[in-house]
Amino acid sequence: DVVMTQSPLSLPVTLGQPASISCRSSQSLVYSDGNTYLHWYQQRPGQSPRRLIYKVSNRDSGVPDRFSGSGSGTDFTLKISRVEAEDVGVYYCMQGTHLYSFGQGTKLEIK
Amino acid sequence: EVQLVESGGGLIQPGGSLRLSCAASGFTVSSTYMNWVRQAPGKGLEWVSVIYSGGSTYYADSVKGRFTISRDNSKNTLYLQMNSLRAEDTAVYYCIYVSGGYWGQGTLVTVSS
Repeated sequence: DVVMTQSPLSLPVTLGQPASISCRSSQSLVYSDGNTYLHWYQQRPGQSPRRLIYKVSNRDSGVPDRFSGSGSGTDFTLKISRVEAEDVGVYYCMQGTHLYSFGQGTKLEIK
Repeated sequence: EVQLVESGGGLIQPGGSLRLSCAASGFTVSSTYMNWVRQAPGKGLEWVSVIYSGGSTYYADSVKGRFTISRDNSKNTLYLQMNSLRAEDTAVYYCIYVSGGYWGQGTLVTVSS
């Protein structure tokens, strides 16, 4: 089983400041078709998760461009260039290369 | 517009059975892979099961042998049959269309006597 490890688990951020979340996998997430199935989700309080980024760095429709994803192999990062109040919630990485598994989640709060 | 609407959750005694449904619209369930994911109260997301377009199915170790994923192509609906339920199965269950990035609103399953 592929273990996904996120850090930090808690992320207090001042409004307008950048934020960064790391996600590491226990195995390479490069699939045999050459794609890397690493996605990022945001879960606001009381809501279903919403996908922000798919296949490492592709932003979903309607996602603000302050969100960006990067990485390769086993090491991935979600960055928020300037945190806004609506970004409060829990962020999860998910791999879909070796079946599926999620990171533990990173709780972003406003400092 | 893509929509996923789960139903079938509720309160069930340990050892009991429940079938969850996920009615899809805006795309064809049988043409893609569909997943069930759950979230215990106050906890993170846990992958439960997947069914691929060809019909192959896979399960998390925690539910293997107790849960069965299936679909009805004529109803464009995904199912999760849950047997031998345990207290630790208590969670909100979501169906997700992974490649499209869509999640349902979830249905709560509570296993308690």
